Amino acid sequence: EIVLTQSPGTLSLSPGERATLSCRASQSVSSSYLAWYQQKPGQAPRLLIYGASSRATGIPDRFSGSGSGTDFSLTISRLEPEDFAVYYCQQYGSSSTWTFGQGTKVEIK
Amino acid sequence: EVQLVESGGGLVQPGGSLRLSCAASGFSFSSSGMNWVRQAPGKGLEWVSYINSGSVNIYYADSVKGRFTVSRDNAKNSLWLQMNSLRAEDTAVYYCARLRGGYGYAFDIWGQGTMVTVSS
Repeated sequence: EIVLTQSPGTLSLSPGERATLSCRASQSVSSSYLAWYQQKPGQAPRLLIYGASSRATGIPDRFSGSGSGTDFSLTISRLEPEDFAVYYCQQYGSSSTWTFGQGTKVEIK
Repeated sequence: EVQLVESGGGLVQPGGSLRLSCAASGFSFSSSGMNWVRQAPGKGLEWVSYINSGSVNIYYADSVKGRFTVSRDNAKNSLWLQMNSLRAEDTAVYYCARLRGGYGYAFDIWGQGTMVTVSS
């Protein structure tokens, strides 16, 4: 089973700053099946990025994804107040299962 | 409006059973693969189960295999999760989520979740 490790666990930044979140896989992952989600307290997750770098419908262009193989990242170019949340990466594997990373919390500094 | 609404959560004793429901509206449910994902209090997301549009391909996480059963009725736009032999570690918010094939098998629509508490 592929394990996704996200870092850092918590990112303390100010509005307007750039955030870079990392997702590392225990073995190579197809970029086509790597996604990122945002979750705010008391809410369901929201799909941000699919296929490692494609934005889902309605997602602002300050969100971008990149990476391949075992290393992926989510970048928020300039943090808006509504961007402070927990972010999860997810992959779909050859065993027809899905796994999530443990999450990165982006908090206001 | 595109929507998924879960129901059926509650308090159940260890070893008990519970059946969760997910009602879909606003999209072609009969053409969509569906998933259950759970989140224990204060923890991260855990994928639980998948069922394809025709109920032919069904998969489970190892943690629930043999205890949980996913099913659907496309005529009723409904998805279910039958949970048996429940354990304390099954305590979580359970979400249903649509799989979007064109989005690399990501989950693009989520319900608001229903809470399941397993405790004596």
